[in-house]
Amino acid sequence: GAGVSQTPSNKVTEKGKYVELRCDPISGHTALYWYRQSLGQGPEFLIYFQGTGAADDSGLPNDRFFAVRPEGSVSTLKIQRTERGDSAVYLCASSLYPLNTEAFFGQGTRLTVV
Amino acid sequence: KQEVTQIPAALSVPEGENLVLNCSFTDSAIYNLQWFRQDPGKGLTSLLLIQSSQREQTSGRLNASLDKSSGRSTLYIAASQPGDSATYLCAVPSGDDKIIFGKGTRLHILP
Repeated sequence: GAGVSQTPSNKVTEKGKYVELRCDPISGHTALYWYRQSLGQGPEFLIYFQGTGAADDSGLPNDRFFAVRPEGSVSTLKIQRTERGDSAVYLCASSLYPLNTEAFFGQGTRLTVV
Repeated sequence: KQEVTQIPAALSVPEGENLVLNCSFTDSAIYNLQWFRQDPGKGLTSLLLIQSSQREQTSGRLNASLDKSSGRSTLYIAASQPGDSATYLCAVPSGDDKIIFGKGTRLHILP
Protein backbone atom coordinates (compact mmCIF):
# COMPACT_ATOMS: atom_id res chain seq x y z
CA GLY A 1 0.00 0.00 0.00
CA ALA A 2 0.91 3.65 -0.23
CA GLY A 3 1.31 4.14 3.50
CA VAL A 4 1.08 2.48 6.89
CA SER A 5 -2.47 1.33 7.55
CA GLN A 6 -3.93 0.69 10.99
CA THR A 7 -7.25 -0.93 11.78
CA PRO A 8 -9.57 -0.27 13.40
CA SER A 9 -9.28 3.51 13.61
CA ASN A 10 -11.36 3.49 16.78
CA LYS A 11 -12.07 0.73 19.27
CA VAL A 12 -14.27 0.90 22.34
CA THR A 13 -14.14 -2.10 24.62
CA GLU A 14 -15.25 -3.03 28.10
CA LYS A 15 -12.81 -3.43 30.93
CA GLY A 16 -11.48 -6.98 31.08
CA LYS A 17 -12.01 -7.73 27.39
CA TYR A 18 -9.37 -8.79 24.86
CA VAL A 19 -8.50 -6.57 21.88
CA GLU A 20 -6.36 -6.86 18.77
CA LEU A 21 -4.97 -3.91 16.86
CA ARG A 22 -3.64 -4.41 13.35
CA CYS A 23 -0.86 -2.68 11.45
CA ASP A 24 -0.08 -3.04 7.74
CA PRO A 25 3.35 -1.50 7.11
CA ILE A 26 4.65 -0.11 3.85
CA SER A 27 5.52 -2.98 1.54
CA GLY A 28 9.17 -3.96 1.81
CA HIS A 29 9.81 -2.21 5.11
CA THR A 30 11.72 -4.53 7.41
CA ALA A 31 11.41 -2.50 10.60
CA LEU A 32 8.08 -2.08 12.39
CA TYR A 33 7.42 -0.16 15.61
CA TRP A 34 4.47 0.13 17.97
CA TYR A 35 3.98 3.22 20.12
CA ARG A 36 1.35 4.38 22.57
CA GLN A 37 0.39 8.03 22.93
CA SER A 38 -1.59 9.58 25.73
CA LEU A 39 -3.17 13.00 25.49
CA GLY A 40 -0.59 15.80 25.54
CA GLN A 41 2.35 13.41 25.49
CA GLY A 42 4.80 12.27 22.85
CA PRO A 43 4.61 8.70 21.54
CA GLU A 44 5.94 6.12 24.00
CA PHE A 45 7.87 3.15 22.60
CA LEU A 46 6.30 -0.29 23.07
CA ILE A 47 7.98 -2.82 20.78
CA TYR A 48 10.17 -3.03 17.69
CA PHE A 49 10.27 -5.80 15.07
CA GLN A 50 13.08 -6.46 12.65
CA GLY A 51 11.56 -8.89 10.17
CA THR A 52 9.51 -11.49 12.03
CA GLY A 53 11.27 -11.24 15.36
CA ALA A 54 10.66 -8.83 18.21
CA ALA A 55 14.09 -7.25 18.50
CA ASP A 56 13.11 -5.12 21.48
CA ASP A 57 9.95 -5.46 23.56
CA SER A 58 11.24 -3.49 26.52
CA GLY A 59 8.49 -0.90 26.23
CA LEU A 60 5.58 -3.29 26.75
CA PRO A 61 4.10 -2.20 30.10
CA ASN A 62 3.25 -5.68 31.38
CA ASP A 63 2.47 -9.23 30.31
CA ARG A 64 -1.05 -8.32 29.22
CA PHE A 65 0.50 -6.78 26.12
CA PHE A 66 1.84 -8.94 23.31
CA ALA A 67 2.62 -8.35 19.64
CA VAL A 68 3.34 -10.62 16.69
CA ARG A 69 4.56 -10.25 13.14
CA PRO A 70 4.50 -13.84 11.86
CA GLU A 71 5.37 -13.25 8.21
CA GLY A 72 7.47 -10.14 8.56
CA SER A 73 4.77 -7.84 7.24
CA VAL A 74 1.45 -7.32 9.08
CA SER A 75 1.70 -6.98 12.83
CA THR A 76 -0.94 -7.40 15.51
CA LEU A 77 -0.79 -5.84 18.97
CA LYS A 78 -2.79 -7.88 21.46
CA ILE A 79 -4.01 -6.64 24.82
CA GLN A 80 -5.54 -9.06 27.31
CA ARG A 81 -7.80 -8.16 30.24
CA THR A 82 -7.95 -4.52 29.22
CA GLU A 83 -7.91 -1.84 31.88
CA ARG A 84 -9.12 1.77 31.74
CA GLY A 85 -5.49 2.89 31.90
CA ASP A 86 -4.87 1.20 28.55
CA SER A 87 -6.97 3.88 26.85
CA ALA A 88 -4.71 5.75 24.44
CA VAL A 89 -3.86 6.09 20.78
CA TYR A 90 -1.75 3.19 19.54
CA LEU A 91 0.56 4.14 16.68
CA CYS A 92 2.41 1.90 14.28
CA ALA A 93 5.39 2.93 12.16
CA SER A 94 7.60 1.25 9.61
CA SER A 95 10.92 2.02 7.99
CA LEU A 96 12.93 0.41 5.24
CA TYR A 97 15.73 -0.38 7.65
CA PRO A 98 15.95 0.37 11.34
CA LEU A 99 17.24 3.67 12.61
CA ASN A 100 18.97 5.24 9.64
CA THR A 101 16.01 5.60 7.33
CA GLU A 102 12.85 7.63 7.55
CA ALA A 103 10.04 6.23 9.69
CA PHE A 104 6.45 6.50 8.47
CA PHE A 105 3.49 6.37 10.81
CA GLY A 106 -0.07 5.18 10.44
CA GLN A 107 -3.09 7.17 11.57
CA GLY A 108 -3.31 5.25 14.80
CA THR A 109 -5.99 3.29 16.63
CA ARG A 110 -7.80 5.14 19.38
CA LEU A 111 -8.56 2.60 22.10
CA THR A 112 -11.10 3.46 24.76
CA VAL A 113 -11.66 1.07 27.63
CA VAL A 114 -14.91 1.73 29.49
CA LYS B 1 19.53 6.64 28.12
CA GLN B 2 18.39 9.01 25.38
CA GLU B 3 16.07 11.82 26.44
CA VAL B 4 14.48 14.37 24.13
CA THR B 5 13.23 17.77 25.25
CA GLN B 6 11.24 20.23 23.20
CA ILE B 7 10.87 23.91 24.01
CA PRO B 8 8.49 25.65 24.09
CA ALA B 9 5.65 23.27 24.95
CA ALA B 10 3.19 25.61 23.26
CA LEU B 11 3.47 28.63 21.02
CA SER B 12 0.97 31.08 19.53
CA VAL B 13 2.09 33.54 16.86
CA PRO B 14 0.34 35.78 14.34
CA GLU B 15 0.12 34.62 10.76
CA GLY B 16 3.08 35.58 8.61
CA GLU B 17 5.73 35.44 11.32
CA ASN B 18 8.84 33.31 11.12
CA LEU B 19 9.33 31.00 14.07
CA VAL B 20 11.77 28.51 15.57
CA LEU B 21 11.01 25.32 17.46
CA ASN B 22 13.73 23.77 19.58
CA CYS B 23 14.69 20.17 20.30
CA SER B 24 17.51 18.91 22.49
CA PHE B 25 18.74 15.37 23.10
CA THR B 26 21.11 13.93 25.69
CA ASP B 27 23.02 11.30 23.69
CA SER B 28 24.75 12.82 20.67
CA ALA B 29 25.60 9.43 19.15
CA ILE B 30 22.63 9.44 16.80
CA TYR B 31 22.15 8.20 13.24
CA ASN B 32 19.65 10.89 12.37
CA LEU B 33 16.94 13.17 13.70
CA GLN B 34 13.43 13.37 12.35
CA TRP B 35 10.79 16.08 12.68
CA PHE B 36 7.11 15.13 12.56
CA ARG B 37 3.84 16.99 12.46
CA GLN B 38 0.71 15.73 14.21
CA ASP B 39 -2.76 17.16 13.70
CA PRO B 40 -5.36 16.62 16.45
CA GLY B 41 -6.61 13.05 16.47
CA LYS B 42 -4.30 12.05 13.65
CA GLY B 43 -1.10 10.08 13.18
CA LEU B 44 2.35 11.51 12.61
CA THR B 45 3.45 12.96 9.29
CA SER B 46 7.18 13.00 8.59
CA LEU B 47 8.45 16.48 7.72
CA LEU B 48 12.21 16.24 7.56
CA LEU B 49 14.92 13.67 8.23
CA ILE B 50 18.45 14.91 8.91
CA GLN B 51 21.23 12.35 8.76
CA SER B 52 24.01 12.64 11.33
CA SER B 53 26.43 13.77 8.63
CA GLN B 54 24.19 16.65 7.59
CA ARG B 55 23.84 20.10 9.14
CA GLU B 56 20.42 20.97 7.77
CA GLN B 57 17.53 19.96 5.55
CA THR B 58 14.98 22.11 3.78
CA SER B 59 11.50 21.41 2.51
CA GLY B 60 9.48 24.35 1.26
CA ARG B 61 9.03 26.82 4.12
CA LEU B 62 10.60 24.41 6.60
CA ASN B 63 14.27 24.26 7.51
CA ALA B 64 15.68 21.91 10.11
CA SER B 65 19.21 22.18 11.47
CA LEU B 66 21.23 19.69 13.47
CA ASP B 67 24.16 20.28 15.82
CA LYS B 68 25.12 16.84 17.06
CA SER B 69 27.93 17.98 19.31
CA SER B 70 25.65 20.22 21.33
CA GLY B 71 22.69 17.84 21.13
CA ARG B 72 20.36 20.34 19.49
CA SER B 73 18.08 20.71 16.52
CA THR B 74 15.85 23.56 15.42
CA LEU B 75 12.89 23.61 13.07
CA TYR B 76 12.46 26.96 11.36
CA ILE B 77 9.09 27.77 9.79
CA ALA B 78 9.05 30.75 7.47
CA ALA B 79 6.01 32.92 6.79
CA SER B 80 3.72 30.92 9.05
CA GLN B 81 0.15 30.15 7.95
CA PRO B 82 -2.95 29.05 9.91
CA GLY B 83 -2.60 25.64 8.26
CA ASP B 84 0.72 25.20 10.07
CA SER B 85 -1.17 24.89 13.36
CA ALA B 86 -0.37 21.43 14.75
CA THR B 87 1.91 19.68 17.21
CA TYR B 88 5.52 19.31 16.07
CA LEU B 89 7.54 16.40 17.40
CA CYS B 90 11.21 15.64 17.10
CA ALA B 91 12.58 12.12 17.41
CA VAL B 92 15.98 10.46 17.56
CA PRO B 93 17.10 6.84 17.60
CA SER B 94 18.20 5.38 20.92
CA GLY B 95 20.56 2.48 21.23
CA ASP B 96 20.13 -0.12 18.54
CA ASP B 97 16.47 0.15 17.82
CA LYS B 98 13.82 2.36 19.34
CA ILE B 99 13.05 5.91 18.29
CA ILE B 100 12.59 8.32 21.18
CA PHE B 101 10.23 11.29 20.94
CA GLY B 102 9.97 14.59 22.68
CA LYS B 103 6.61 15.69 24.07
CA GLY B 104 6.16 18.10 21.18
CA THR B 105 5.46 21.78 20.69
CA ARG B 106 1.80 22.74 20.15
CA LEU B 107 1.82 25.51 17.58
CA HIS B 108 -1.14 27.81 16.98
CA ILE B 109 -0.98 30.33 14.14
CA LEU B 110 -3.41 33.18 14.66
CA PRO B 111 -5.20 34.36 11.48
